[in-house]
Amino acid sequence: DAGVTQSPTHLIKTRGQHVTLRCSPISGHKSVSWYQQVLGQGPQFIFQYYEKEERGRGNFPDRFSARQFPNYSSELNVNALLLGDSALYLCASSLGVAGSNTEAFFGQGTRLTVV
Amino acid sequence: QKEVEQDPGPLSVPEGAIVSLNCTYSNSAFQYFMWYRQYSRKGPELLMYTYSSGNKEDGRFTAQVDKSSKYISLFIRDSQPSDSATYLCARKRGGNQFYFGTGTSLTVIP
Repeated sequence: DAGVTQSPTHLIKTRGQHVTLRCSPISGHKSVSWYQQVLGQGPQFIFQYYEKEERGRGNFPDRFSARQFPNYSSELNVNALLLGDSALYLCASSLGVAGSNTEAFFGQGTRLTVV
Repeated sequence: QKEVEQDPGPLSVPEGAIVSLNCTYSNSAFQYFMWYRQYSRKGPELLMYTYSSGNKEDGRFTAQVDKSSKYISLFIRDSQPSDSATYLCARKRGGNQFYFGTGTSLTVIP
């Protein structure tokens, strides 16, 4: 069974540029969440989507946005990149958003380097 | 104060040792906790989850929650070199949104 897949695995961007990261959840999972993991830190929650609707947002600036598509895949967009945006971006999927359906499975992440 | 505090280590133990990893949390709401294992350059992998207080055992791993002291622990028995990784504790904030600790780096020496 395919797990959570993220693309690309690595990318390098220049300050001020825009980036789009993609995530495909486990088949049958309807919720996707995005996390940012800076080197040496734990993941920090950015967004959660369920059934194409935003269900939660972490403490990140408006330069960060996301959406979920009818097939439950998701995109994370970051505008006006800063050096501090360099991190591992993780996508997690779960069946739903309540009870035991919230068990979250993570992808391998996209390592973004801003230069 | 962070929602979940975790000693980053690093922690180094000989093969076969019992490992104790600990976190503290500040908010008593959402008594749902997880332990994730993260190998270098990989995504976190769910090890165990517990709800409320008490112990939960799965093979060599035991997760423990002490509500009175707001303390969560992961014990690894008969540790193996393959257990060398970063261990992340997390507390549910709602839905599948979690607060994570900073992670503890563990090395098991053969």
